[in-house]
Amino acid sequence: DTGVSQDPRHKITKRGQNVTFRCDPISEHNRLYWYRQTLGQGPEFLTYFQNEAQLEKSRLLSDRFSAERPKGSFSTLEIQRTEQGDSAMYLCASSRQVNEQFFGPGTRLTVL
Amino acid sequence: LAKTTQPISMDSYEGQEVNITCSHNNIATNDYITWYQQFPSQGPRFIIQGYKTKVTNEVASLFIPADRKSSTLSLPRVSLSDTAVYYCLVGLSMDTGRRALTFGSGTRLQVQP
Repeated sequence: DTGVSQDPRHKITKRGQNVTFRCDPISEHNRLYWYRQTLGQGPEFLTYFQNEAQLEKSRLLSDRFSAERPKGSFSTLEIQRTEQGDSAMYLCASSRQVNEQFFGPGTRLTVL
Repeated sequence: LAKTTQPISMDSYEGQEVNITCSHNNIATNDYITWYQQFPSQGPRFIIQGYKTKVTNEVASLFIPADRKSSTLSLPRVSLSDTAVYYCLVGLSMDTGRRALTFGSGTRLQVQP
């Protein structure tokens, strides 16, 4: 296990469809984060898990967004009824300490 | 969280030393200063973190003056592969708190041959 992996790397969908992304963190990391990044901006925090517990959610995470981390291993981020404004790079990160987070390559979502 | 201000972009040439300064006037006593690097189509990567004075690792040095209201990331002898966006973050600590990273817009460094 060399790092955080995300699947898929790219997703194109039509407005109104549901999409789900997966993140596999570094195996010994109990903290998992989701961020969203739009062009020219830094990543924005969405939500945080410690083990299987979702401990923090950003106001950016509307009710169309849901994230899970069953059994404290991989995590999924689902977006329901996608909108064009959801088009972005979705980044997953994991860590043992909050200061040094290891990011995955991201999933680029395009909503048509 | 303390607000950070850094230049939008910088240009350099291969072999030069690059210094990127970040202002964080409202830094709190317990806040650390952390820098991340991001290449296109990749997630950010941790570079260095410090609290005061100077920190050096195999990649960079971080200079923090006594008042801690600013910090300077120093990249020695840059190469083309150092072309990236560099983010300065303030507000983390070395404890086991759960706060996520707060990124600004970063500094886009372009290294020319």
